[in-house]
Amino acid sequence: DAGVIQSPRHEVTEMGQEVTLRCKPISGHDYLFWYRQTMMRGLELLIYFNNNVPIDDSGMPEDRFSAKMPNASFSTLKIQPSEPRDSAVYFCASSLVVSGGPWELFFGEGSRLTVL
Amino acid sequence: AQSVAQPEDQVNVAEGNPLTVKCTYSVSGNPYLFWYVQYPNRGLQFLLKYITGDNLVKGSYGFEAEFNKSQTSFHLKKPSALVSDSALYFCAVRGQGGKLIFGQGTELSVKP
Repeated sequence: DAGVIQSPRHEVTEMGQEVTLRCKPISGHDYLFWYRQTMMRGLELLIYFNNNVPIDDSGMPEDRFSAKMPNASFSTLKIQPSEPRDSAVYFCASSLVVSGGPWELFFGEGSRLTVL
Repeated sequence: AQSVAQPEDQVNVAEGNPLTVKCTYSVSGNPYLFWYVQYPNRGLQFLLKYITGDNLVKGSYGFEAEFNKSQTSFHLKKPSALVSDSALYFCAVRGQGGKLIFGQGTELSVKP
């Protein structure tokens, strides 16, 4: 299996521009999570989906952030307009519910976003 | 609310010596606890988990963790550290709905 695939790996953009991050979860997994990692705030859960339905988006910082999962094999995280404080590494992770789980999360390699 | 704390930002160990990375938790109900490792410029990788049963949990790469209910701790251990173990280690607890809540991370540095 190819694992969780994220694109782009690196994105540099200017303040005010729209940013779209993409994620392809592991085939068959039914949970998908978006995390953000910064030095100051550590790992923050932004939003997660179960069977393509958003379950908890309480971690989304503000209305500039939105996430979609149109099907089981694709999710996007969009920031519009972007701001310098959005600079971070964004991780997508997927998991499969087994015996009361989900338990183990499989992370992608991350998308490093720099907003100038 | 579920939470974990990692009291040490950094742990330094000599190669061949035992290592311990500390984690304490705060949960209501039964704790489901995890350790993940992150190598530079990579995503997190699962090491081990505690759900129920034996207090000593064995995981990947020779790591193990000891669950201690009375001390509300879940410390990560390895009998003999390798230079290649140098990485960022995260403790996590399962929250409501299955989401994982991570600690701030501990940077482990193993010197030759």
